[in-house]
Amino acid sequence: QGQLVQSGAEVKKPGASVRVSCKASGYTFSVYHVHWMRQAPGQGLEWMGWINPHTGNTGYAQKFQGRVTMTRDNSISTAYMELSRLRSDDTAVYYCARYAGSYCDYWGQGTLVTVSS
Amino acid sequence: DIHIAQSPSSLSASIGDRVTFTCRASQTIDNSLNWYQKKPGKAPKLLIYAASTLQSGVPPRFSGAGSGTDFTLTISSLQPEDFATYYCQETYDTPHTFGQGTKLEIK
Repeated sequence: QGQLVQSGAEVKKPGASVRVSCKASGYTFSVYHVHWMRQAPGQGLEWMGWINPHTGNTGYAQKFQGRVTMTRDNSISTAYMELSRLRSDDTAVYYCARYAGSYCDYWGQGTLVTVSS
Repeated sequence: DIHIAQSPSSLSASIGDRVTFTCRASQTIDNSLNWYQKKPGKAPKLLIYAASTLQSGVPPRFSGAGSGTDFTLTISSLQPEDFATYYCQETYDTPHTFGQGTKLEIK
């Protein structure tokens, strides 16, 4: 049974960067892409992008191009999402998920990122 | 980008009711449509993938249908644990757009 465990909540000031980690267990990490989503307070789910742990290839939603970087460390089965130049409207719960070909089956528990001065 | 219109935005229903949610894509997406259940403070839970395939462990009262541009999620007999927000998501092309969600509330 696969599991994804994310890092803890963060509080950041506007203009700063945040890095969220997502540690996989229970399956072969390099075989499945990892996708990242977020949900701002009172809003819906928003897709941010993906990373292929095997190759390191990434794809980002246009909205986040230039501000988001997704990386991985296969030696510890962990994916990372870094978002820079944070604004107040980046306050959200960020999720990672395993992408099993056409759907996300395992999700992390979510990481609350609060951007406030 | 593909736009997904989900309706209704909210719905009130009673235990035992049959309810149906709809998602309409702005272009054909074949059967590349998934449904998730989202409860406050919890991660989304996959219910249906590829438009109509029930994810393992999900009760059979949930069913999905559709292809091309029009899709439905039906709950045949509502249970107390089903009150949540439901999202569809297309995975035909990136960005993998979500619908706006349907909040299912107890009448």
